[in-house]
Amino acid sequence: DVKVTQSSRYLVKRTGEKVFLECVQDMDHENMFWYRQDPGLGLRLIYFSYDVKMKEKGDIPEGYSVSREKKERFSLILESASTNQTSMYLCASSLGPTTTYEQYFGPGTRLTVT
Amino acid sequence: AQKVTQAQTEISVVEKEDVTLDCVYETRDTTYYLFWYKQPPSGELVFLIRRNSFDEQNEISGRYSWNFQKSTSSFNFTITASQVVDSAVYFCALSGETSGSRLTFGEGTQLTVNP
Repeated sequence: DVKVTQSSRYLVKRTGEKVFLECVQDMDHENMFWYRQDPGLGLRLIYFSYDVKMKEKGDIPEGYSVSREKKERFSLILESASTNQTSMYLCASSLGPTTTYEQYFGPGTRLTVT
Repeated sequence: AQKVTQAQTEISVVEKEDVTLDCVYETRDTTYYLFWYKQPPSGELVFLIRRNSFDEQNEISGRYSWNFQKSTSSFNFTITASQVVDSAVYFCALSGETSGSRLTFGEGTQLTVNP
């Protein structure tokens, strides 16, 4: 079974702090994704990566950056957290890159910025 | 641009009823893929099915079945004899040759199965 893990289920941070959300997958997937999920807005793609050290902007990259130094790990960074970044963050991975495979999701991190 | 519409925001049924969740999609791609995911209260999205645009056969897996109709751009999901454990948010998603591995999600349908 594919396993995607996220470093925290719940996180509380203060405005202006630098926040790191970590995601690890154990199935040697090429693709990794970060989404945020908000009531009424569904899932929105923040960033994704097709390979180590490669990244692509999703639909809402502003205020975020990512890092992928190893194939199994994809980090989401909030350089200076703001209250409007309070959300559920979901990481996913999939096989790739030439065929569209299903994405497997982690349990999510519920981030609160105060 | 791709779009997925799940018109039913919330559905409430009584246990053992059958329920169908609707999904309508828009794409200009010839080759595309459709997906269904389940998100229980725990929060983790669980993959249920992937279907490609060239395979219009209906799929059945236990109490779950999917009806794919290209003529109406729909990929509906039916749960037969619903159970309380089926209570969750269900998402339909789409990807195509122009979007690669990126998924476009619908807004989701909250299904509540009451005992």
